[in-house]
Amino acid sequence: AQKITQTQPGMFVQEKEAVTLDCTYDTSDPSYGLFWYKQPSSGEMIFLIYQGSYDQQNATEGRYSLNFQKARKSANLVISASQLGDSAMYFCAMSNFGNEKLTFGTGTRLTIIP
Amino acid sequence: SQTIHQWPATLVQPVGSPLSLECTVEGTSNPNLYWYRQAAGRGLQLLFYSVGIGQISSEVPQNLSASRPQDRQFILSSKKLLLSDSGFYLCAWEGGATEAFFGQGTRLTVV
Repeated sequence: AQKITQTQPGMFVQEKEAVTLDCTYDTSDPSYGLFWYKQPSSGEMIFLIYQGSYDQQNATEGRYSLNFQKARKSANLVISASQLGDSAMYFCAMSNFGNEKLTFGTGTRLTIIP
Repeated sequence: SQTIHQWPATLVQPVGSPLSLECTVEGTSNPNLYWYRQAAGRGLQLLFYSVGIGQISSEVPQNLSASRPQDRQFILSSKKLLLSDSGFYLCAWEGGATEAFFGQGTRLTVV
């Protein structure tokens, strides 16, 4: 069975600094996808970035990038130049091309300090 | 493009009353569909998922049930709500491990 681990329950970061949110995963399937979501206080789950297991390059979307280290089974989210609006819960998730369901980590609460 | 609709956004129901939350997806076919529940400040608890019409997998035995009467429709139900059913419910669809999006969520309060 696949598993996602987020070891940072909470983080405080100064505004304009870069922040790295950790995510490690475990799966026996060679074909999988990794996702990051942002959940602000409103509750909606906002898709941020996706990385496929066979993608050669790290995914980037604006200020978000995914540091994909396949051998280490890690998929850390990097937010550059953090903003106050980045304060939210962040969830890492994975799915695979077999019969495994979409699996989430426990989340990291990020607080940006002015 | 794909969109997912979930309603209602907010619901207050008395204990013992029935529940029906609906989720529909547009712009895709044969998606995997999910129902999650989230307690305040906590992670996502997978309740049900479906890989096709009429196919439902239950993750946690509970007071809730799910149905998928159409390819792009997923319904979460209860015959009699309990206080412990209160929470934030999220519907999600996933396409081939390359896309996964959520509905806006339903905040359910059982009183």
